[in-house]
Amino acid sequence: GAVVSQHPSWVICKSGTSVKIECRSLDFQATTMFWYRQFPKQSLMLMATSNEGSKATYEQGVEKDKFLINHASLTLSTLTVTSAHPEDSSFYICSADHFAGASTEAFFGQGTRLTVV
Amino acid sequence: AQSVTQLGSHVSVSEGALVLLRCNYSSSVPPYLFWYVQYPNQGLQLLLKYTTGATLVKGINGFEAEFKKSETSFHLTKPSAHMSDAAEYFCAVSRGGSNYKLTFGKGTLLTVNP
Repeated sequence: GAVVSQHPSWVICKSGTSVKIECRSLDFQATTMFWYRQFPKQSLMLMATSNEGSKATYEQGVEKDKFLINHASLTLSTLTVTSAHPEDSSFYICSADHFAGASTEAFFGQGTRLTVV
Repeated sequence: AQSVTQLGSHVSVSEGALVLLRCNYSSSVPPYLFWYVQYPNQGLQLLLKYTTGATLVKGINGFEAEFKKSETSFHLTKPSAHMSDAAEYFCAVSRGGSNYKLTFGKGTLLTVNP
């Protein structure tokens, strides 16, 4: 199947710094990618829809100036957490839609564990 | 708006026993329904999905789910649990089409006892 890779798998950063997370579709092109956030023992909450070549669409309540999304190519979307604070600590997961003939499936990255200290 | 309710945040079964994870959904349009599995500190893996057609859907690892429109349900079952099935399971719904913007349930943690 199609592969989506996230990097890094885990990151620890100091409060006030910025962190960039990459989401790559390794063997297919993805015009649309999605970024989710998962708190411990909770479900995934959609943060934003990343569209190649255009601005991301953010879900209600998500600060677009804090969570910067860039989708500059058909295989790469990045999420930058700016001026990170401990409350931003979470598990971030991306997904990319893969179209294969008449079938579409969302493939997920392995996730990035962000800890802000 | 769409929503997903997973009944039971934690289900515990014995190895070899039937697995039943419950999912009910709400959708204003014909839904696409999904079950995903997540192992600790990993991303999600698709178990199965319903889009159109046959309401009984078979997935990987022996799992299956049945779409029941009248009950707005999409329960996940497996006849015989294996230790390796222990994981977190998420039910999700989307509006369908080419944009798989998913709304997830809160998840059900499945533990399998020897």
